[in-house]
Amino acid sequence: ETGVTQTPRHLVMGMTNKKSLKCEQHLGHNAMYWYKQSAKKPLELMFVYSLEERVENNSVPSRFSPECPNSSHLFLHLHTLQPEDSALYLCASSQDIWAGTSTDTQYFGPGTRLTVL
Amino acid sequence: KQEVTQIPAALSVPEGENLVLNCSFTDSAIYNLQWFRQDPGKGLTSLLLIQSSQREQTSGRLNASLDKSSGRSTLYIAASQPGDSATYLCAVRGNQAGTALIFGKGTTLSVSS
Repeated sequence: ETGVTQTPRHLVMGMTNKKSLKCEQHLGHNAMYWYKQSAKKPLELMFVYSLEERVENNSVPSRFSPECPNSSHLFLHLHTLQPEDSALYLCASSQDIWAGTSTDTQYFGPGTRLTVL
Repeated sequence: KQEVTQIPAALSVPEGENLVLNCSFTDSAIYNLQWFRQDPGKGLTSLLLIQSSQREQTSGRLNASLDKSSGRSTLYIAASQPGDSATYLCAVRGNQAGTALIFGKGTTLSVSS
């Protein structure tokens, strides 16, 4: 596998279920991101991890719980979701988080299409 | 708060046409602007990145321009092909360290043969 991979690619869950999304990057990067892409909204940053530490949480509801056990893996644990949480969830990675003086490039995975019934 | 708008939301053209996609942003204090391509069922691929000090960047049939003072960028695609059909996203990064990429909603392009 190369680049950024995400599993599963599609997920349907009920509001009372607990599920997890997985992201893996094979690029040797130090930073990983979760984004949400809804049908009627721009891509929104949810969480940022740098060297396995969470550095940004953009007011995301607690029903979304990220986990970064090492710099290559990122999880998004889901529980008691709402139908409005249905969206495409994209994972990305970059060499480092942006420090304001360099040019970073984020590499995106294919996303997990989540449907909450 | 930075907002990014892309017009049009969707565009259909016949093969061979030259076309322009538009992106506007409300806060001109940006560090750079990127254009991405998103294919159905796939993630985003970076096409072009323009630093705030630059006016344009070119890659093959793609040319992106930036007018920071007016808060505008355009992506010009020459001699469009069916393989160019995708959603094109514009994203800006602010000047402060750690600021996130702010995306537009995208323009969905369909090129017919």
